[in-house]
Amino acid sequence: GENVEQHPSTLSVQEGDSAVIKCTYSDSASNYFPWYKQELGKRPQLIIDIRSNVGEKKDQRIAVTLNKTAKHFSLHITETQPEDSAVYFCAASKPPGTASKLTFGTGTRLQVTL
Amino acid sequence: DAGITQSPRHKVTETGTPVTLRCHQTENHRYMYWYRQDPGHGLRLIHYSYGVKDTDKGEVSDGYSVSRSKTEDFLLTLESATSSQTSVYFCAINAGGPLVEQYFGPGTRLTVT
Repeated sequence: GENVEQHPSTLSVQEGDSAVIKCTYSDSASNYFPWYKQELGKRPQLIIDIRSNVGEKKDQRIAVTLNKTAKHFSLHITETQPEDSAVYFCAASKPPGTASKLTFGTGTRLQVTL
Repeated sequence: DAGITQSPRHKVTETGTPVTLRCHQTENHRYMYWYRQDPGHGLRLIHYSYGVKDTDKGEVSDGYSVSRSKTEDFLLTLESATSSQTSVYFCAINAGGPLVEQYFGPGTRLTVT
């Protein structure tokens, strides 16, 4: 089955700096890659996603890049703010028709310090 | 929050007792999922459903069963709870077809003593 690895497990940045979280996946059939943000005690929230026919997607301060050949994708957060502090999860899924089962990475705890 | 509720939100139970967690959605979505979340493991799929009475196993299904008798409800049962099943359980839904985004419920914190 699919295996998703996520690095780093913890990341501390100063407010205003950029943060990058990287994930690799094993199954070349995967074609959907969402990122979730989870604040302490809350549910995971979808923040951005990318499909395999796209190399990059941006939404304000957040961007995701995908390299299908190398089977890795990354989350980039620019101009970090204290409210960006949370645990971030990447995931991978195969096409619809396979119940869109997500395989998650183990998470990155991002701390934005003042 | 995508019309998903979970009940109970917190539960403490003893080893060997049966436990049922409920996920309820108001979105009429086809797919429903149960995940468990543990430190160092991220979110792992327990079981999922692709329609009424249609369910299948995920990667960590041992010790769990599910049922879906109505579109809106997906039940997760621990037949005989063990301490290793202490976890936070999340339900998720998606509409299916080209809409692959999954949305999560608020979670149930289960402690097995």
